[in-house]
Amino acid sequence: KAGVTQTPRYLIKTRGQQVTLSCSPISGHRSVSWYQQTPGQGLQFLFEYFSETQRNKGNFPGRFSGRQFSNSRSEMNVSTLELGDSALYLCASSLGQGDQYFGPGTRLTVL
Amino acid sequence: GENVEQHPSTLSVQEGDSAVIKCTYSDSASNYFPWYKQELGKRPQLIIDIRSNVGEKKDQRIAVTLNKTAKHFSLHITETQPEDSAVYFCAASPDSGNTPLVFGKGTRLSVIA
Repeated sequence: KAGVTQTPRYLIKTRGQQVTLSCSPISGHRSVSWYQQTPGQGLQFLFEYFSETQRNKGNFPGRFSGRQFSNSRSEMNVSTLELGDSALYLCASSLGQGDQYFGPGTRLTVL
Repeated sequence: GENVEQHPSTLSVQEGDSAVIKCTYSDSASNYFPWYKQELGKRPQLIIDIRSNVGEKKDQRIAVTLNKTAKHFSLHITETQPEDSAVYFCAASPDSGNTPLVFGKGTRLSVIA
């Protein structure tokens, strides 16, 4: 089976812009979770989608949003980018909960 | 909600020695505890997990122990090798299917040859 894929792998934006990241889960996996990874903060949970519905949400501002399509692919959007949004954004897929399989991440740099 | 504390944040060991990383959790409903390894520039990968119906699980040089009474679980790596150098994350969640994993902040393990 193909693993979790994310596009793009690298992104450079300026403050105030918006960005959309994409995640394609492992075939058959219906749950997609998004995490922000920064040095020293570990993996911070953004949100989880299951069967096109947001099932869980972390403590991030409303500038962070997401959606999931009928083929389980998911997108994450960040509007009005701030310098502090620079991070590695990881998505992970699973059959429901439990074992999560991570993608390679999108490295976002905000200038 | 769940809170996971992980210690130490950095750990250096000589090749061949053992390494132990400890995590505590706060939600007594949690019953699924995975460990992930993230090598430099790579994605986190699940290396072992334990569920609350067992107290210990082994896979070659890696073992995880769980103490539900004390709400802590640990990762043990024996006979460490340079390729074990990575950041290790513990996580916890109720295995109900509706609650996300909560991760610790990670431990950077360096194995010195």
